[in-house]
Amino acid sequence: GNSVTQMEGPVTLSEEAFLTINCTYTATGYPSLFWYVQYPGEGLQLLLKATKADDKGSNKGFEATYRKETTSFHLEKGSVQVSDSAVYFCALSPQRNTGNQFYFGTGTSLTVIP
Amino acid sequence: DVKVTQSSRYLVKRTGEKVFLECVQDMDHENMFWYRQDPGLGLRLIYFSYDVKMKEKGDIPEGYSVSREKKERFSLILESASTNQTSMYLCASTLEGRGNQPQHFGDGTRLSIL
Repeated sequence: GNSVTQMEGPVTLSEEAFLTINCTYTATGYPSLFWYVQYPGEGLQLLLKATKADDKGSNKGFEATYRKETTSFHLEKGSVQVSDSAVYFCALSPQRNTGNQFYFGTGTSLTVIP
Repeated sequence: DVKVTQSSRYLVKRTGEKVFLECVQDMDHENMFWYRQDPGLGLRLIYFSYDVKMKEKGDIPEGYSVSREKKERFSLILESASTNQTSMYLCASTLEGRGNQPQHFGDGTRLSIL
């Protein structure tokens, strides 16, 4: 079946620290992979995506590379800011997918302290 | 930009009431979704719809129904609200595609059942 496993939080970092949030997946075929961010009191916003193996998605200083050999899509940022404090969700969409149903990880809460 | 609008940000209802949550998208998306989000449980899919008048059960449909009479509108109905349905409800929409289209989310409705 399809599933996503994210590292558990919460994660607390100092400003300008390096961030990694691990995400691994199980899927048949070649899914598309996504990272979403949720700020307090808001819905989820698309942060980045990758639709095939070895693709790198990037946005706002965040990056993630689609690694089929390790079935991973880890989120990284070189220098976090207080404004990056949020909950981050990894998600996959199977290759053949009527209705475009997604499978989400449970989310990782990040707090960045000054 | 895609706009997904949920009718209420906060809603308070009483046990036993019939509750309607409304969601409208403005990008002619075929697919629409209702999730609930609870601490520690991530996002759980309640129902989704891939076309007008079409619906599919998600992971936790019990106690809920949905209606999609027009392409842009997807309603979630709590037939007889109970306290265990107190939660954050998120609506999303997406284009039909080969699994590579992102889902776009509304800001959520925080529902309290007293």
